[in-house]
Amino acid sequence: GAVVSQHPSWVICKSGTSVKIECRSLDFQATTMFWYRQFPKQSLMLMATSNEGSKATYEQGVEKDKFLINHASLTLSTLTVTSAHPEDSSFYICSARDQLAGEMTGELFFGEGSRLTVL
Amino acid sequence: AQSVAQPEDQVNVAEGNPLTVKCTYSVSGNPYLFWYVQYPNRGLQFLLKYITGDNLVKGSYGFEAEFNKSQTSFHLKKPSALVSDSALYFCAVRDKGTGGFKTIFGAGTRLFVKA
Repeated sequence: GAVVSQHPSWVICKSGTSVKIECRSLDFQATTMFWYRQFPKQSLMLMATSNEGSKATYEQGVEKDKFLINHASLTLSTLTVTSAHPEDSSFYICSARDQLAGEMTGELFFGEGSRLTVL
Repeated sequence: AQSVAQPEDQVNVAEGNPLTVKCTYSVSGNPYLFWYVQYPNRGLQFLLKYITGDNLVKGSYGFEAEFNKSQTSFHLKKPSALVSDSALYFCAVRDKGTGGFKTIFGAGTRLFVKA
């Protein structure tokens, strides 16, 4: 199957600093990527939809100034957690759909996730 | 809005026995349903999907799922469980909202397979 690379896999930072997480589709192009947040023993919460060449679409309750998303190319989306606080500590997962697959029918390919710990 | 429900937080099964992980859905229009598996501290992996056609869908690692329109269910099954199948399983449905197409996930079901 298609491969999505997510980096870093884990990061520890101090409160108040910013952290950038990268999501790359390695063998396909993705006009749309998705960023999820997962709390322990819970399901995935969609944070935002990243659109190549345009602004991301954020879900209700997600602060767009807090979680900056950039989708500069068909293979790369980045999530920057700005001014991180301990409550931002979580497991962040990105996913992408091959642009050649149907918007309703194409499966998602996921990165391995990034565990953020804010001290 | 579309949604899926996974009524069981956890399923326990002995190795070699058949397993079923339940999922029911609520959609307007045609359902586009998916199953994903997550191993500890990893991203999700696609197992299978139902778009149209045969109600029995075969996927990766010997898993299959049965689409039942009258019961609005899409249960995941495997004839003979392996210890390595122990993981977190998510049922999902594709939704089209004002922000575009997105995937809505169920709460997840943790599968434990005992040797």
